[in-house]
Amino acid sequence: DAKTTQPNSMESNEEEPVHLPCNHSTISGTDYIHWYRQLPSQGPEYVIHGLTSNVNNRMASLAIAEDRKSSTLILHRATLRDAAVYYCILRDVSSGSRLTFGEGTQLTVNP
Amino acid sequence: DTEVTQTPKHLVMGMTNKKSLKCEQHMGHRAMYWYKQKAKKPPELMFVYSYEKLSINESVPSRFSPECPNSSLLNLHLHALQPEDSALYLCASSHQGPEDGPNNEQFFGPGTRLTVL
Repeated sequence: DAKTTQPNSMESNEEEPVHLPCNHSTISGTDYIHWYRQLPSQGPEYVIHGLTSNVNNRMASLAIAEDRKSSTLILHRATLRDAAVYYCILRDVSSGSRLTFGEGTQLTVNP
Repeated sequence: DTEVTQTPKHLVMGMTNKKSLKCEQHMGHRAMYWYKQKAKKPPELMFVYSYEKLSINESVPSRFSPECPNSSLLNLHLHALQPEDSALYLCASSHQGPEDGPNNEQFFGPGTRLTVL
């Protein structure tokens, strides 16, 4: 299975943009890039996913490098509620489309 | 209704007890999942039911027994558990099953916090 690498932790200030990086240098052409987050004492929550093109939704933007070996989750204006563990996950049909969580990035948002 | 509900929220059981965890969704989703999450660790997949049939079992010990009575309900029957099985058990659902591809999102419940004494 292709793996992802994320920083263990990041800090941000409230109302500032946050760029969460993810490296996936062994990504295959059919791997989808998914992002989930887990707020304290809650189950994981879907954030966004994409294949090749950049994606936007109401929660965030996903910027995918041209060679697809890395991606960045962008939170445009961080709020205290965005403090969570953010997981970058590759999903592919060959692995049964499993959602295999790595260690993720713990995002701290300072008031 | 866009929720996955799980009961109970907390469960304490002895090693000789039999208990069940319940999960319910009314979004018409065709796939349901059980995950286990130890403290400070990421969730790990245990079982997947797709169209009410068990499609993935991640080599989980037989003391964990899943059941899918219908497309809205998922149970996890527990028997003769060990203290190391103490964890947060998460249920999730998705509109399509894994065999339909990775282009869909999973909706997670809040989990059941299980303590085995």
